[in-house]
Amino acid sequence: KAGVTQTPRYLIKTRGQQVTLSCSPISGHRSVSWYQQTPGQGLQFLFEYFSETQRNKGNFPGRFSGRQFSNSRSEMNVSTLELGDSALYLCASSTLGGVTGEQYFGPGTRLTVT
Amino acid sequence: EDKVVQSPLSLVVHEGDTVTLNCSYEVTNFRSLLWYKQEKKAPTFLFMLTSSGIEKKSGRLSSILDKKELFSILNITATQTGDSAIYLCAVPLDSNYQLIWGAGTKLIIKP
Repeated sequence: KAGVTQTPRYLIKTRGQQVTLSCSPISGHRSVSWYQQTPGQGLQFLFEYFSETQRNKGNFPGRFSGRQFSNSRSEMNVSTLELGDSALYLCASSTLGGVTGEQYFGPGTRLTVT
Repeated sequence: EDKVVQSPLSLVVHEGDTVTLNCSYEVTNFRSLLWYKQEKKAPTFLFMLTSSGIEKKSGRLSSILDKKELFSILNITATQTGDSAIYLCAVPLDSNYQLIWGAGTKLIIKP
């Protein structure tokens, strides 16, 4: 099976712009979770989608949003970018979600905001 | 407040040494604890622990959970340079579908 893929792998944006990141889960996986990782921080949970529904959202401002399509692919959007949004954004897929066990991570998108 | 705390935050040892990484947690209605290894980008799954006192083992890596004292340890014996990575532990919240993560232990193995 192909693994989780994320596009783009690297992105440079300026403050105030918006960005859309994409995640394609492993075939058959219906849950996609998004995380932000910054140096010295653990993974900070953004949100999780299951069968096109957002099941949970972390403590991030409304500038961070997402969606999931019928083929389980997911996108994450960040509007009005701030310097502090520079991070590695990881998505992870699983059959049922994080509570039930292991998640499979994509390689991440490295976002740099200047 | 639910939280996961890992220690140490960083560790430098020489090849062949044995290391022990710690993960303590405070969550409501604990179900399981997961260990991941992050070498470059994507964390990869190592273990999921649900029962206290039962060791999970994979090669030179092993992990055990103590549900009474609310912690888990990850042991790596006969370390190799390829073990250099960030080791993350995570605990799922019972109330939703969210994993909360520790900050990770950055392990560096010197040849």
